[in-house]
Amino acid sequence: QVQLQQWGAGLLKPSETLSLTCGVSGGSFSYFYWSWVRQPPGKGLEWIGEINHEGTNYNESLKSRVTISMDTSRNQFSLKLSSVTAADTAVYYCAREDYAFDIWGQGTMVTVSS
Amino acid sequence: EIVLTQSPDFQSVTPKEKVTITCRASQNIGNGLHWYQQKPDQSPKPLIKFASQSFSGVPSRFSGSGSGTDFTLTINSLEAEDAATYYCHQSSRGASFGPGTKVDIK
Repeated sequence: QVQLQQWGAGLLKPSETLSLTCGVSGGSFSYFYWSWVRQPPGKGLEWIGEINHEGTNYNESLKSRVTISMDTSRNQFSLKLSSVTAADTAVYYCAREDYAFDIWGQGTMVTVSS
Repeated sequence: EIVLTQSPDFQSVTPKEKVTITCRASQNIGNGLHWYQQKPDQSPKPLIKFASQSFSGVPSRFSGSGSGTDFTLTINSLEAEDAATYYCHQSSRGASFGPGTKVDIK
């Protein structure tokens, strides 16, 4: 079955760029939307954005700092979030989106601290 | 932006009790509403899609209803393993989540 495995740096300094990648195995990559969702410690879920072969959509509140890209040859998609601050400290999840988020990655804790 | 509100914020329930969680959308979203269960230190688990369709493998005690702006997640005969936070999510325009409802076992 489809599995998502994500990786990336877990500790950043303020003003640096967050970079995470999510690898998709066991199923079709081209047909679906692929999303990033984050969750600050002790708080709720926040949708960051999505990508498919037609393009991207981003949360308006993060749009100026977010770039989501995909590499279909490697079945991977990536998140970049620029100019991070302590407010970006969160667990970041990748997820497959078939209207609902039906498959999730394991989550990556990203801490922003000087 | 479509804003989702959930009630209650927190509910403490005894086993076998029925739990009802509501999710209200700031605009008509048709049936583009989905529910997730999240336990501590775990990724969210999908429960219900399109307001009332259960994902494969989800126990039958979980059910969803509603359309438009008002939706409900019901857990019939709560079990101890259902202690978790429950989130609604809309996919009608962009995506957004409700703030969550924490269900605790008495």
